Formats: sequence, C-alpha cells, structure tokens
Amino acid sequence: DAKTTQPPSMDCAEGRAANLPCNHSTISGNEYVYWYRQIHSQGPQYIIHGLKNNETNEMASLIITEDRKSSTLILPHATLRDTAVYYCIAIMDSSYKLIFGSGTRLLVRP
Amino acid sequence: NAGVTQTPKFQVLKTGQSMTLQCAQDMNHNSMYWYRQDPGMGLRLIYYSASEGTTDKGEVPNGYNVSRLNKREFSLRLESAAPSQTSVYFCASSEWSLYGYTFGSGTRLTVV
Repeated sequence: DAKTTQPPSMDCAEGRAANLPCNHSTISGNEYVYWYRQIHSQGPQYIIHGLKNNETNEMASLIITEDRKSSTLILPHATLRDTAVYYCIAIMDSSYKLIFGSGTRLLVRP
Repeated sequence: NAGVTQTPKFQVLKTGQSMTLQCAQDMNHNSMYWYRQDPGMGLRLIYYSASEGTTDKGEVPNGYNVSRLNKREFSLRLESAAPSQTSVYFCASSEWSLYGYTFGSGTRLTVV
C-alpha cells in the first residue's frame, strides 16, 4: 500500500468548506484512495473513496489530481459535528485490511 | 441493532494477568479485525481474520493471540498483560469491502 502524508491538524469555521489534503505520490495504478473519519474515540466511519475520477456523496467530495499523486477531501459546509480525525488511505481494492496512519485532526470552530 | 459488540467496555488489569476481549458481529460478515489505538495515535492492526477458520498477523501482533470461534465471534487474548498494552481496542468486521467496515465501540484497557 502506498504511503500517505497528511497535515497533523487543521481548522475551519463552521459553515465554511473544509479542504483536507492528502499526498500519495507513490500510489500505483490499481490503488484506491479511501477516507475514513473518527469522531472522538468512536470507531472510524467510512466517508468516500475513489480511483481517479472525482467522487461525491452525501457526506463529502473527493478530488484526485490527474497524476493521482494527491487528493483533497472536501466537506462543503462543515459543522461542529465534523470535528474529528480524518484518515486518508491508499490501498488496493482487492485488499481487505485497512491500515490507518496518523490522520488529520480537524477542528471546526463556531 | 445490528452491529459489532465488544465486551467488556472497560478493564483494569495488573501486570502479568491475562484476559480475553470478546467481539461478536451479527451482520454475517466474513472478515473481522482487531485494532489498538494509543492516546493521540491512529489505529494499528493487531490481527485479522479474512474468513472463518483463518487468522493473520497485522502490524503489531506481539503479545496477543486471537481465535475466530465461528463466523460471528473473534476474540483477542492477552496472555501476560504489560503496561505497554494500555490502549483502546477496537474490533471491526467487513464483507469483502474496504468501505463497509463496521467498528465496535471499543474496550478501554488499562494495565497497571
């Protein structure tokens, strides 16, 4: 699995978009980018994943650069409940074991 | 409610004691996992079971043993607890998909 690099912490104002970057410069062609988040000592929760096209669901959008060496998770209108640690994981879809890094701690300010 | 159930939720052990953490899922998932999370750190995979009857080591297996008792249950055993094993332990299950992980609420273990 490719190594990912994320900033240790970020903050944003409530109601604004939160843009969380992830670097995965060694990602291979068959590795997906997955995002999970962990809200205050609960178990992690799946957010979104993608291969090379941008993806959107009810929780977030995922923008993957054309060279696939980095991606950005976008929470379009952050709320206080989005305060959490966000994990970016590059992994082959045929794998079945998630390996978490240290993630980005996002603080949403009132 | 369907999900992953872990017991106990809290436990304090003395160094050298043994104990088993229990995990059960009722979603008919094939794969189950044990993670640990130290304060301020990400989750680290201890052991996993891709399917009933199989178990494999993860990133940090030393000091632990696991048993996949049946498709529903996956237990984690500490034979001789050490203070370094003080952590929150999460069990998870999935059905062959990386987006379908379901986590339990965790077991907070303190070894003194």
